[in-house]
Amino acid sequence: RKEVEQDPGPFNVPEGATVAFNCTYSNSASQSFFWYRQDCRKEPKLLMSVYSSGNEDGRFTAQLNRASQYISLLIRDSKLSDSATYLCVVNIRISNFGNEKLTFGTGTRLTIIP
Amino acid sequence: GAVVSQHPSWVICKSGTSVKIECRSLDFQATTMFWYRQFPKQSLMLMATSNEGSKATYEQGVEKDKFLINHASLTLSTLTVTSAHPEDSSFYICSARDGRRKLIVDTEAFFGQGTRLTVV
Repeated sequence: RKEVEQDPGPFNVPEGATVAFNCTYSNSASQSFFWYRQDCRKEPKLLMSVYSSGNEDGRFTAQLNRASQYISLLIRDSKLSDSATYLCVVNIRISNFGNEKLTFGTGTRLTIIP
Repeated sequence: GAVVSQHPSWVICKSGTSVKIECRSLDFQATTMFWYRQFPKQSLMLMATSNEGSKATYEQGVEKDKFLINHASLTLSTLTVTSAHPEDSSFYICSARDGRRKLIVDTEAFFGQGTRLTVV
């Protein structure tokens, strides 16, 4: 089983639609969670961190369910510029000395259609 | 936000030659740098974790003698792909964490722009 699993995609949705991505992780010791966005042939860029209480940033809402080891991202009123690959990222502390490891999901490709 | 500069952004080399990729943190101290590799339509796979002044920790399946990592200062880490072969062609990305925030779990990793390596 992969450490971080995401919806396979691709998602092709019309502009203005709402789209949701799901992600599950297998390591219960995971400590922090993120959604990154990656444009074609570019480096990943942090979209938002994910907290247990849920957090919102404009059109983007992220949720975390630690009991189910499940993370979600909701994009409302999607724009053409939202087209990208969305990566679910989990941070695991691997030692008592503060060493951490980011594990990436395979990503879900989103294309917004005009 | 913090900036990580990676160089070169792309390189084409002949099979059997070595290629060095540099990763610099421009405005913070990066006590830890990570090196990733990404094949087309796949996720980023961690290759190794590099701590300043000590040997890198390699992930299972990554050859330490082929992918040489040097992290000699708090702002620079290098990855050298030795005796490159076509199967090493990939997108290599570094990321760095701000050493002052090391013990804070919920920290952002800053990524370099990536290096697209093509071995012919």
